[in-house]
Amino acid sequence: KAGVTQTPRYLIKTRGQQVTLSCSPISGHRSVSWYQQTPGQGLQFLFEYFSETQRNKGNFPGRFSGRQFSNSRSEMNVSTLELGDSALYLCASSYLGLRSVYDNEQFFGPGTRLTVL
Amino acid sequence: AQKVTQAQTEISVVEKEDVTLDCVYETRDTTYYLFWYKQPPSGELVFLIRRNSFDEQNEISGRYSWNFQKSTSSFNFTITASQVVDSAVYFCALSEGRGANSKLTFGKGITLSVRP
Repeated sequence: KAGVTQTPRYLIKTRGQQVTLSCSPISGHRSVSWYQQTPGQGLQFLFEYFSETQRNKGNFPGRFSGRQFSNSRSEMNVSTLELGDSALYLCASSYLGLRSVYDNEQFFGPGTRLTVL
Repeated sequence: AQKVTQAQTEISVVEKEDVTLDCVYETRDTTYYLFWYKQPPSGELVFLIRRNSFDEQNEISGRYSWNFQKSTSSFNFTITASQVVDSAVYFCALSEGRGANSKLTFGKGITLSVRP
């Protein structure tokens, strides 16, 4: 099975611009979560999508948004970029089936490294 | 609110030494899941192990073992006979609630350096 893929891998933007990151989950996985990783704050949960619906949201401003498509692929968007948005953005997918409580383990993609100048 | 504390920030060992990474968690839920992830320099988080709150059995898997103690809210991870390839940042994470909940709360991570 192919793993989680994220595009692009690297991105350089300037303040005030907006950016869209893409994540393709493992085939059959229905949940996609996004995390931001910075040296100062560490790994922080952004949001989670399941069956095209946002189920969970972290403590981030409204400039951060996302969506999920019917094929489970997800995109996240950051508008009006700030210098502090420079980070590694990680996407994770999980099956989240009802067959077993063990379906919640998450598999991460390689991340998109965003630099805001 | 949930919280994960990894008090160790950096550990350096010589190859073949055993090393234990500590993790202490806080949660009000009675059902929760604990994870360890490894992040090599490439950046991708690699799933290592998972434990749920109703199973305190400790296990060994190859060179990895873990010690889950609810009484002290700890979930420590041990690498036996460390190797240079084990050099990475290790994260402990917590997920609350029964079943389908994907939100992970991570600790700050422990940078492990294994010297030849």
